[in-house]
Amino acid sequence: DAGITQSPRYKITETGRQVTLMCHQTWSHSYMFWYRQDLGHGLRLIYYSAAADITDKGEVPDGYVVSRSKTENFPLTLESATRSQTSVYFCASSVSASGRGQYFGPGTRLTVT
Amino acid sequence: ELKVEQNPLFLSMQEGKNYTIYCNYSTTSDRLYWYRQDPGKSLESLFVLLSNGAVKQEGRLMASLDTKARLSTLHITAAVHDLSATYFCAVDRSSGSRLTFGEGTQLTVNP
Repeated sequence: DAGITQSPRYKITETGRQVTLMCHQTWSHSYMFWYRQDLGHGLRLIYYSAAADITDKGEVPDGYVVSRSKTENFPLTLESATRSQTSVYFCASSVSASGRGQYFGPGTRLTVT
Repeated sequence: ELKVEQNPLFLSMQEGKNYTIYCNYSTTSDRLYWYRQDPGKSLESLFVLLSNGAVKQEGRLMASLDTKARLSTLHITAAVHDLSATYFCAVDRSSGSRLTFGEGTQLTVNP
C-alpha cells in the first residue's frame, strides 16, 4: 500500500529488552522523523534523517538508536527499554525542506512493563 | 530554543459558536502548520502557512499567520460536533523541516 506505515501497531515489552519499531514509506521522501507523544508534552522529536545514511538527534534522543540504510525505511531501536519510554511513537516523512509539511504514520503504542 | 505555546489547551464549546485557538512561538519562522488528531489516531495535516499574512480556509476552519507577532490563529466558525479533536500547531525550526509542536488544544463541541 502506498503511504507511510509503521509496525508493530501495538507492542508490550519488559524493562531491559531491546525493541525495534519499523517505519516504511513509499513516496521516496528525503526526510524522515521519529516522534514520541506523551500527555502534557505534545509531540517531541527523537531523531530525524535528511537522506539515507544521514541521521541526527532531535530533542529527546537518549535511549534510542536509528539507522537509515535505505531511503524508504527508518527503524527506531530502544536498546534497553525503560518504563519512561512507554509512549505512542509516530514516524513521519516529508519531501524536502519545501515547506509542504510532514506526513504521519498511524503510530505504534509501546508499553514497557 | 524554539518554544511553541498554544492556548487554550482545553476548549469546550457549544455547537454553532465561534472561537479562536492561538499559537505563539518564540523565534523567527515563516512556516507554520496546523494538524488535527482524533482520539487514538494519527495526525492529519490541515493547513500550511508559508508567509506573513497567509490565510487559509477549509470549511468552518480558518488559519492565519502573523510572523511579526509570531502568532498564528485557528478560527472556528459555527462549530459542529465533528470538529471535536485535538489541534496542534507546529513551527518549522530550520530549512531541514524539523518541526516543534505545541502541546495541542483539545476541542470538544457539545450539542
